[in-house]
Amino acid sequence: GAGVSQSPRYKVAKRGQDVALRCDPISGHVSLFWYQQALGQGPEFLTYFQNEAQLDKSGLPSDRFFAERPEGSVSTLKIQRTQQEDSAVYLCASSFIQGDSSYEQYFGPGTRLTVT
Amino acid sequence: AQSVTQLDSQVPVFEEAPVELRCNYSSSVSVYLFWYVQYPNQGLQLLLKYLSGSTLVKGINGFEAEFNKSQTSFHLRKPSVHISDTAEYFCAVSLDAGNMLTFGGGTRLMVKP
Repeated sequence: GAGVSQSPRYKVAKRGQDVALRCDPISGHVSLFWYQQALGQGPEFLTYFQNEAQLDKSGLPSDRFFAERPEGSVSTLKIQRTQQEDSAVYLCASSFIQGDSSYEQYFGPGTRLTVT
Repeated sequence: AQSVTQLDSQVPVFEEAPVELRCNYSSSVSVYLFWYVQYPNQGLQLLLKYLSGSTLVKGINGFEAEFNKSQTSFHLRKPSVHISDTAEYFCAVSLDAGNMLTFGGGTRLMVKP
């Protein structure tokens, strides 16, 4: 079946521009996570949704970062007034179908954001 | 808060040799443990996980890991590596099986012919 998809795969933004990154989770998955992976580092948690509810946004680095999942499926991560330090790969992961205890997080291929 | 340390940033090894990638974690409570692999320009793929039960966990592609609570370690091993195992490997912990993951910095495994 289809996995987690993300678009665009690559995004180049001029400093100060706003960007929107999209994540299509696996159909039926309740949980959705966003992670930020800087070059040469491990992914770092940004935010977590359970259906349409954003239950944890403690990892968002500033108020320029905003995430939503209005219908409990597709999610968008928006970054306003991008800065060079925002350059990273943004990974989306989904997990958990009701009745399944595996809890495995399935990751998308990521969006590589470069801010110039 | 929990943290994960991967002691080796790069591990070069010859094909068909054994390999061990080290992972230590820090947490004041029990955690769940994971190993993920990342191939170039791809997302992370789960290799194996420890949630409970036997401390020796077997995963995909011939990998296994052993949970050692006293040493707070979860080292990944493979008895004989292939060129195709060349990738970045990440150790991760979670406080709850369905919760956010905290990752280590990664270990780049480089398999040479």
